[in-house]
Amino acid sequence: DSGVTQTPKHLITATGQRVTLRCSPRSGDLSVYWYQQSLDQGLQFLIQYYNGEERAKGNILERFSAQQFPDLHSELNLSSLELGDSALYFCASSVDPLAGALDTQYFGPGTRLTVL
Amino acid sequence: EDKVVQSPLSLVVHEGDTVTLNCSYEVTNFRSLLWYKQEKKAPTFLFMLTSSGIEKKSGRLSSILDKKELFSILNITATQTGDSAVYLCALAGNMLTFGGGTRLMVKP
Repeated sequence: DSGVTQTPKHLITATGQRVTLRCSPRSGDLSVYWYQQSLDQGLQFLIQYYNGEERAKGNILERFSAQQFPDLHSELNLSSLELGDSALYFCASSVDPLAGALDTQYFGPGTRLTVL
Repeated sequence: EDKVVQSPLSLVVHEGDTVTLNCSYEVTNFRSLLWYKQEKKAPTFLFMLTSSGIEKKSGRLSSILDKKELFSILNITATQTGDSAVYLCALAGNMLTFGGGTRLMVKP
């Protein structure tokens, strides 16, 4: 158990819908990262937040957005869902990626999203 | 664009064998290289390497980084069926960039 929690574990929805995935980082971790893992694309970095502010953006679609709240939990919002958005979505956390070589990220169990 | 390439894509060995997994990279603003093991669920952290030529060991697993030739290897000795997993290499540059992974299957 990494200490990172994600809800829900599974989500099944229809095309065109909107969903929200939630992540709570490990106690003391200030940075949260979101990843998408699909069979054909591997693990893709989406976005990073540090202490409530966006720090880095990866391959995140405009239909997707995220935020980190004052209590440091984060939500990933996926809208106008398409079949191709079906994937495993991971959240990871770390203390502070710029405080020395503290790049170790601890991953949550993931949310499996199925779009029908 | 940062690039991380892992080889082989997959590997099947028998218990007791030794395996070497490779990770080569082209990354700007390199900070560190990380290895993860992914079984059925989330990746779990194995090693973080920042300095060239210094081997990191944890039990039967060891890893080393060559910053001049831009690669790292992960060695697993005396493999066990529990080592069966996908092994991911990731580079911390401007963001964390993952390779496609090596799928290792260890047969009894």
